[in-house]
This record gives sequence, structure tokens and C-alpha cells, in this order.
Amino acid sequence: DARVTQTPRDKVTEMGQEVTMRCQPILGHNTVFWYRQTMMQGLELLAYFRNRAPLDDSGMPKDRFSAEMPDATLATLKIQPSEPRDSAVYFCASGLVTGSTDTQYFGPGTRLTVL
Amino acid sequence: GQQVMQIPQYQHVQEGEDFTTYCNSSTTLSNIQWYKQRPGGHPVFLIQLVKSGEVKKQKRLTFQFGEAKKNSSLHITATQTTDVGTYFCAFRRGGADGLTFGKGTHLIIQP
Repeated sequence: DARVTQTPRDKVTEMGQEVTMRCQPILGHNTVFWYRQTMMQGLELLAYFRNRAPLDDSGMPKDRFSAEMPDATLATLKIQPSEPRDSAVYFCASGLVTGSTDTQYFGPGTRLTVL
Repeated sequence: GQQVMQIPQYQHVQEGEDFTTYCNSSTTLSNIQWYKQRPGGHPVFLIQLVKSGEVKKQKRLTFQFGEAKKNSSLHITATQTTDVGTYFCAFRRGGADGLTFGKGTHLIIQP
């Protein structure tokens, strides 16, 4: 059963530290998404890639967040420097987006706590 | 930007009772998707609706897309404890692939 994997599952860090979250999408999927979930804002789209090219990162705070896809098996989301307001669960999702299908498969998430 | 409102925010039911959550938009949606998230888990895709007036069923779950494509509903018949979780509707904005999610309806079932 193919799944999206994310590491780490939990991360506690101090304000000002760099945080890197990693995602391995399902093999064969052409689109990778990063979402953030908080109690206040719910699920928000941060950025996404199609065939490793960034298509939209308008949901991401540009000054401290960066998303990359160095190869087809790895997507990364980096926060530098981290702030307490970044505390959230960060989900990666992948999908084979075509004209007729766009089901997204979510990973288990990285729970980030910034102290 | 385009948003959807989901109601109710919380729903308590006795096991065996029915449950319905509603998703409403002020503008026409090209599609609507429904996801379920168990406590501590991740969103899991349930279904996508695209056509006006579409109705789809999955065992005890019935999904509807309104005729005007501005609202959708998820109905669960005879809830079971395994139905506990948060149900989200989501849609793709035209020309984009990322999803915009509603705030979700938390389903709490009392045995």
C-alpha cells in the first residue's frame, strides 16, 4: 500500500532555530503539496510542485519559509528562523493530477512546536 | 478569496443516529471534495463531486452536490463509533491544483 511519508513526525525547537521537514511522495505522483493545520486557521495550502517545478507558493511566508523538491522522491519545507506562531502540523500530500483526476494523498504530518 | 463555510462546527450524536454536514459557498464551485480526519490523524480522501446535482453513495455515506454547485452535503446513516472524526469539504480554485478547505465539522459519537 503506497503511502506518503514525512519526517520527523514530531519536532520541538526553540525560537530562531532552523527547521527542515521532509516528505517522500508516492512514486509516480506528479504533484506535491504542503499544507499547514492549526486550530485557528484550519488547513491552509502553503505551496505545491508539479513535476518538481514550483507552481504556487503564495500561501507561504516568503521571508522565512522555503520549499524545494531536489528530486522526485524528496520534497522539503524549511523554516529559518522559526517563530512560536509557526507551531502547527505540517502535512505533505501527493497526487497524480490530470485533467480528470486530482485525488490528494496526505502524509501523517510533522507536528512542529516552537518554544 | 473564494471560501466555503461548513456547518455545524461540532455535532454530538448518539451511536445509531444520522449525521449531516453542510458546505456552502457564495460562488459557483467547479468541484467539491470531501475528506475525513480521525483524531490525531491526517486527512483521507473520501470522494469528489463535479456535476450539478450529483449524488454519490459509499455504504452509509451519501454525498450531494447542489444544482447550482454552490453547496454540498455529507450524510451518514446510522453512525458508528468508527465514524468519529472531522469531516472537511474542499475545492480547487479554477486553474489551480491546491485545495481550499472548509473549517470542518467535528463528529462526536456517544455510545
